[in-house]
Amino acid sequence: DAGVIQSPRHEVTEMGQEVTLRCKPISGHDYLFWYRQTMMRGLELLIYFNNNVPIDDSGMPEDRFSAKMPNASFSTLKIQPSEPRDSAVYFCASRSGGAGYGYTFGSGTRLTVV
Amino acid sequence: RKEVEQDPGPFNVPEGATVAFNCTYSNSASQSFFWYRQDCRKEPKLLMSVYSSGNEDGRFTAQLNRASQYISLLIRDSKLSDSATYLCVVVNSNDYKLSFGAGTTVTVRA
Repeated sequence: DAGVIQSPRHEVTEMGQEVTLRCKPISGHDYLFWYRQTMMRGLELLIYFNNNVPIDDSGMPEDRFSAKMPNASFSTLKIQPSEPRDSAVYFCASRSGGAGYGYTFGSGTRLTVV
Repeated sequence: RKEVEQDPGPFNVPEGATVAFNCTYSNSASQSFFWYRQDCRKEPKLLMSVYSSGNEDGRFTAQLNRASQYISLLIRDSKLSDSATYLCVVVNSNDYKLSFGAGTTVTVRA
């Protein structure tokens, strides 16, 4: 089991540029979550999918953020245009089963917008 | 009020000591509870689930008090490798979203 795979591991970009983060969940997991972590705000849920369908995107900060899950093995989180305040670690997590099952997180993408 | 609140610590303890800390949650309908561990610059990893009757996993003991809406974690015979941030996690069964506490930092010194 390769676990949840995220890419890139690190991304440094200039303000105004488009950033795309990628995630491959564990095979067979039907829930996928995108989180953002900063020192100030801790871990925040941005959006989650069930069977590739977005269920709750209320955590997406603003229209500059969008997420897609075109199939069960791939999801993207896009920021366009990026701003310095978007600098954070972005984690993808997946799980299957009911609410009593823990999540597996990817290693995260450390985004720095300068 | 935050949905999940934790004492941020840090708890600085010598090797071999016992350390315990709590977390409180605000939603009485919460159904599932976990402790995650996060090392510096790493992803959170599941440490253990928390069951209503309390449960142990080696040196780690988790307790749940539904009446008072708190969860606890106790670490016995602490090791240097236990140094990490411990995240309290609550799941609402109606939407499966995880709510994370801000974390409790534990540092075990030689």
